Amino acid sequence: AQRVTQPEKLLSVFKGAPVELKCNYSYSGSPELFWYVQYSRQRLQLLLRHISRESIKGFTADLNKGETSFHLKKPFAQEEDSAMYYCALTTGGGNKLTFGTGTQLKVEL
Amino acid sequence: DAMVIQNPRYQVTQFGKPVTLSCSQTLNHNVMYWYQQKSSQAPKLLFHYYDKDFNNEADTPDNFQSRRPNTSFCFLDIRSPGLGDAAMYLCATSLDAGPYEQYFGPGTRLTVT
Repeated sequence: AQRVTQPEKLLSVFKGAPVELKCNYSYSGSPELFWYVQYSRQRLQLLLRHISRESIKGFTADLNKGETSFHLKKPFAQEEDSAMYYCALTTGGGNKLTFGTGTQLKVEL
Repeated sequence: DAMVIQNPRYQVTQFGKPVTLSCSQTLNHNVMYWYQQKSSQAPKLLFHYYDKDFNNEADTPDNFQSRRPNTSFCFLDIRSPGLGDAAMYLCATSLDAGPYEQYFGPGTRLTVT
């Protein structure tokens, strides 16, 4: 069965510092990878997906099949980036999301 | 605004007393999902509907049932809640089957006393 691992429950960085939220997955095939984000008092929402290869709010994520990773990166953290971030995957072209346990990002001034 | 709505936001029920959680959507999406999220854990898919077709996850307890009377509404029924069923329940929708973006509701926090 597929699994998503986010090793850090909490990541605290200073404003302007680089951010990297780690995500590793286990799946023998080719998954679709996503990052979802939940800001304080807001609903869970899609941040980005690997097939789009886009940058959203300054965040990027590259799928590394060799390392089975999909780390989320931003060169300069902003205070508004403070949120809960979930890595997730689907497999086989399906629609069932398997989530990681999430990383709480705290950007300090 | 088109969105996913969940009612109530907070629900308290007694041990063993049936409870129903409600989800509605104005997105006209084909697929509706129910997730359970316990404290500090990942959201876990319970089941989903593709149109009227019900798809249960293999490890979802029989205590959990769902109904989708029309495109807009989907209900989660817990027949005999136990203390272990206390959690946040998230409803989500997606346009169609496949790896589409899922749109989440705000969740219902269920407490079992």
